[in-house]
Amino acid sequence: EAQVTQNPRYLITVTGKKLTVTCSQNMNHEYMSWYRQDPGLGLRQIYYSMNVEVTDKGDVPEGYKVSRKEKRNFPLILESPSPNQTSLYFCASSPRTGRDGYTFGSGTRLTVV
Amino acid sequence: SQQGEEDPQALSIQEGENATMNCSYKTSINNLQWYRQNSGRGLVHLILIRSNEREKHSGRLRVTLDTSKKSSSLLITASRAADTASYFCATDRVNNNDMRFGAGTRLTVKP
Repeated sequence: EAQVTQNPRYLITVTGKKLTVTCSQNMNHEYMSWYRQDPGLGLRQIYYSMNVEVTDKGDVPEGYKVSRKEKRNFPLILESPSPNQTSLYFCASSPRTGRDGYTFGSGTRLTVV
Repeated sequence: SQQGEEDPQALSIQEGENATMNCSYKTSINNLQWYRQNSGRGLVHLILIRSNEREKHSGRLRVTLDTSKKSSSLLITASRAADTASYFCATDRVNNNDMRFGAGTRLTVKP
């Protein structure tokens, strides 16, 4: 089944403890992206990647890192999480940059205390 | 900053009625897409309309695009309780590699 898989689904962590949210797609998509969703703000793009080893900042990249060493994986790294990063995170992929619809993962609900 | 802004923020209708949601955007686009999200789940792609298209249909969905007004509308005909969800528009902007989403319209269809 074609899908984007995110892990974990839920995560509660403490301020400053590094964490990684994994994202993997099995559709050979070139384009991958991370979004965060907050009430009243919709989805805001954190980082995106147009292909292996090509990443770029979205609207809200501060406090996040990404890497794209393989085409299928696009992990999101929070080096020192803070409470304002408490949010619902989505990974998405697309065959090409924006020209086709996204396939979204199921989301990761992160709480930083 | 958001590119798309949906209107209304919330919409409540009876089953069988039509639901219309609007999206406005600010800059030139290659295409505009509509997505649906059920309560905290991942978004599901519904329909894509390209900048040179004016109208597109998919089942009970009808999307229009007016590039002169920088706006789009999503019409769901003969709504069902299962259509209850949030609906988002997203824009693929010219000369950009990102996708911008609006804040969404929360649709409630009462049985």
